[in-house]
Amino acid sequence: DAGVTQSPTHLIKTRGQQVTLRCSPKSGHDTVSWYQQALGQGPQFIFQYYEEEERQRGNFPDRFSGHQFPNYSSELNVNALLLGDSALYLCASSLPGVNEQFFGPGTRLTVL
Amino acid sequence: AQKVTQAQTEISVVEKEDVTLDCVYETRDTTYYLFWYKQPPSGELVFLIRRNSFDEQNEISGRYSWNFQKSTSSFNFTITASQVVDSAVYFCALNNNNDMRFGAGTRLTVKP
Repeated sequence: DAGVTQSPTHLIKTRGQQVTLRCSPKSGHDTVSWYQQALGQGPQFIFQYYEEEERQRGNFPDRFSGHQFPNYSSELNVNALLLGDSALYLCASSLPGVNEQFFGPGTRLTVL
Repeated sequence: AQKVTQAQTEISVVEKEDVTLDCVYETRDTTYYLFWYKQPPSGELVFLIRRNSFDEQNEISGRYSWNFQKSTSSFNFTITASQVVDSAVYFCALNNNNDMRFGAGTRLTVKP
């Protein structure tokens, strides 16, 4: 049983560029959440997708957007990258109504 | 507003010592879930335990134990007879209605 997978593992971009990160949830899970973890800090909730719609959103600007596909996989898009967007981006999946989230290994984004 | 505080930024112990990681939370809701996650250097968050707000029974799992006290809004985590493999960053988290808040984490170093 595959767990949560994310791609790519690492990514280097320059300021102003756009980036797309991908996540495949654990088998049987249909809810996907995205988190940003800056160095030395705890993960910060970005948003959650369920039934291909954004169900909840944290305190992140509109530059952060997402999408969920019919197979429950998800993408996180960040436009107009800033140096401060450099972080580990974690994806987590869960079953609806179940608060236990399973995390992927993350994508480490570096913005130069 | 929901908030999780892990006052201990870093803890260093010698192998076989017992160690307690503190977690204090704030929420106005009566229904919520508390979690502990372990983050090894690889970056993936590993689920350790989930506790709902109506279950104050303490739990023991091998060398791990958790003490949930609603009266003091605390959910502390104790590792008995620590091992080098326990070295990691540990996060406490609070979840209510899909709003997941993490503490800043405690970096535990277990020296041989």
